Amino acid sequence: DAGVIQSPRHEVTEMGQEVTLRCKPISGHDYLFWYRQTMMRGLELLIYFNNNVPIDDSGMPEDRFSAKMPNASFSTLKIQPSEPRDSAVYFCASTQWEGVSYGYTFGSGTRLTVV
Amino acid sequence: KNEVEQSPQNLTAQEGEFITINCSYSVGISALHWLQQHPGGGIVSLFMLSSGKKKHGRLIATINIQEKHSSLHITASHPRDSAVYICAVTGHYGGSQGNLIFGKGTKLSVKP
Repeated sequence: DAGVIQSPRHEVTEMGQEVTLRCKPISGHDYLFWYRQTMMRGLELLIYFNNNVPIDDSGMPEDRFSAKMPNASFSTLKIQPSEPRDSAVYFCASTQWEGVSYGYTFGSGTRLTVV
Repeated sequence: KNEVEQSPQNLTAQEGEFITINCSYSVGISALHWLQQHPGGGIVSLFMLSSGKKKHGRLIATINIQEKHSSLHITASHPRDSAVYICAVTGHYGGSQGNLIFGKGTKLSVKP
């Protein structure tokens, strides 16, 4: 397996534009997580899915953020409209959970810069 | 108070030194994870522990469930070990099962 695949690796956009981040989890993993990492706050959970269903989105900052998982092999995180304070590295991770995790695999991250 | 506390925040060592990074947590957990992140890089899972001790090369991770404490040791440290080491736990409480709760990380710099 190629691991968790995120795209793009880097994104620079202007304030007000729509940004879409993409993630392909490891095949067979039933949990998918979106995390955001900043210098100030470290790693924070934005949302996670179990079997494509959103379970906890309490970390999504505001209505400008939305996430979908239309099938087991693809998820998107959308920011519309983007703001400079959204600049961060966004990580996707997946795991298989059967009472206990079989280990987490992270994608390489998307470094988002909003100017 | 954070649910996962790490110490030290920053650590500088000379090549060859034995290094210990500590992690304490305050919630019930199903597992504890040690992660590594190189500057500008992705996050790699080093260990997942629910009890005892695990070893991989020069890295050793231990956990004491009763004391809610874990340590990551690096023997014969090398400049390529320079990275941020992050402790994270997975709970088994309803509603948040599966999610990782992260410490703030320990930035390790190993000088040649």
